[in-house]
Amino acid sequence: RKEVEQDPGPFNVPEGATVAFNCTYSNSASQSFFWYRQDCRKEPKLLMSVYSSGNEDGRFTAQLNRASQYISLLIRDSKLSDSATYLCVVNPNAGGTSYGKLTFGQGTILTVHP
Amino acid sequence: DADVTQTPRNRITKTGKRIMLECSQTKGHDRMYWYRQDPGLGLRLIYYSFDVKDINKGEISDGYSVSRQAQAKFSLSLESAIPNQTALYFCATSSGEGYGYTFGSGTRLTVV
Repeated sequence: RKEVEQDPGPFNVPEGATVAFNCTYSNSASQSFFWYRQDCRKEPKLLMSVYSSGNEDGRFTAQLNRASQYISLLIRDSKLSDSATYLCVVNPNAGGTSYGKLTFGQGTILTVHP
Repeated sequence: DADVTQTPRNRITKTGKRIMLECSQTKGHDRMYWYRQDPGLGLRLIYYSFDVKDINKGEISDGYSVSRQAQAKFSLSLESAIPNQTALYFCATSSGEGYGYTFGSGTRLTVV
């Protein structure tokens, strides 16, 4: 089982739609969680951290379910500019060889069309 | 200026050549990382460093070496480039455990 798994998509949605991505992680000791956004041929950029209580930033809402070991990202009122690849990122923080390194999912591709 | 700067942005090199990719950061972070990204394979860790005297191999270090010249500088070398090292390479920094990374804009390397 991969440490971090995402549905690669692609997700094709019209402007204004609501879209949700899920991500599962294998290490129950994981402590920190993030969503990154990556535009084509560009570097990944931090979209938002994911907190246990859930958090919201404008049209974006992130949720963490520790019991089921999954993270979600909800995008409301999709814009054309939201088209990108969304990476689920986990800090295993399990010590040993996992210490200090983030684990990246392979990403979910989103295309928002007019 | 960008917080994390990578040079060159693009490079085409021949098989067997030695090449160095450079990374510098102005964030004052101790932790620096080198990743490569290939279509369908995501980001894979090559090497990482938690301070100037600390160098660690990642999951795909064979064929690569690194040098941490200063807190702000972390370079990646391909001693003898081969075509399957063609990829997009990213340098990243972090302020500590539990924090996200800041990435450089990447180096697109093509080995012919």
